[in-house]
Amino acid sequence: GENVEQHPSTLSVQEGDSAVIKCTYSDSASNYFPWYKQELGKGPQLIIDIRSNVGEKKDQRIAVTLNKTAKHFSLHITETQPEDSAVYFCAASMTGNTPLVFGKGTRLSVIA
Amino acid sequence: DTGVSQNPRHKITKRGQNVTFRCDPISEHNRLYWYRQTLGQGPEFLTYFQNEAQLEKSRLLSDRFSAERPKGSFSTLEIQRTEQGDSAMYLCASSLEGNYGYTFGSGTRLTVV
Repeated sequence: GENVEQHPSTLSVQEGDSAVIKCTYSDSASNYFPWYKQELGKGPQLIIDIRSNVGEKKDQRIAVTLNKTAKHFSLHITETQPEDSAVYFCAASMTGNTPLVFGKGTRLSVIA
Repeated sequence: DTGVSQNPRHKITKRGQNVTFRCDPISEHNRLYWYRQTLGQGPEFLTYFQNEAQLEKSRLLSDRFSAERPKGSFSTLEIQRTEQGDSAMYLCASSLEGNYGYTFGSGTRLTVV
């Protein structure tokens, strides 16, 4: 089955700097790669996703890149703000609404 | 629409007791998923439904766990004879078949003492 690995497990950045979180996956049949943000006491919230037919997608300060050949994808957050502090999860699945396999998460701390 | 609703938010139970959680998905969503999340880990898939049909169950779903979605709307997850290892956050999510991405609820945190 699919296995998703995520690095780093913790990340601290100064406010205004960029943050990058990387994930690798094992199943070449996976075609959908979402990123979720989870704040304390809440469920994961979808922040951006990418499908296998594109290499990059951007939404304001957040971007995701995908390399299907190497089976890795990354989340880039620019101009970080204290409210970006949370746990971020990458995930992979075959389609957009089949079960997701999640990474173990990255705890991002943005220091003001 | 208020999103995916889960009840209760917190549940403390004694080992050996049975517990039941409820999930109300976004009304037009026909797919409903259950995940379990332990501290410091990502969510792990348990099972999912399309309308009232249970399409897939993870190996994590032991025979003490049962999930239903009798009318294709809300769903319940029951754990019988709870064990301390069942302590976790139980997350529900829903989606519309054919669309990408799904919406999670805030979860039910179970503590078995």
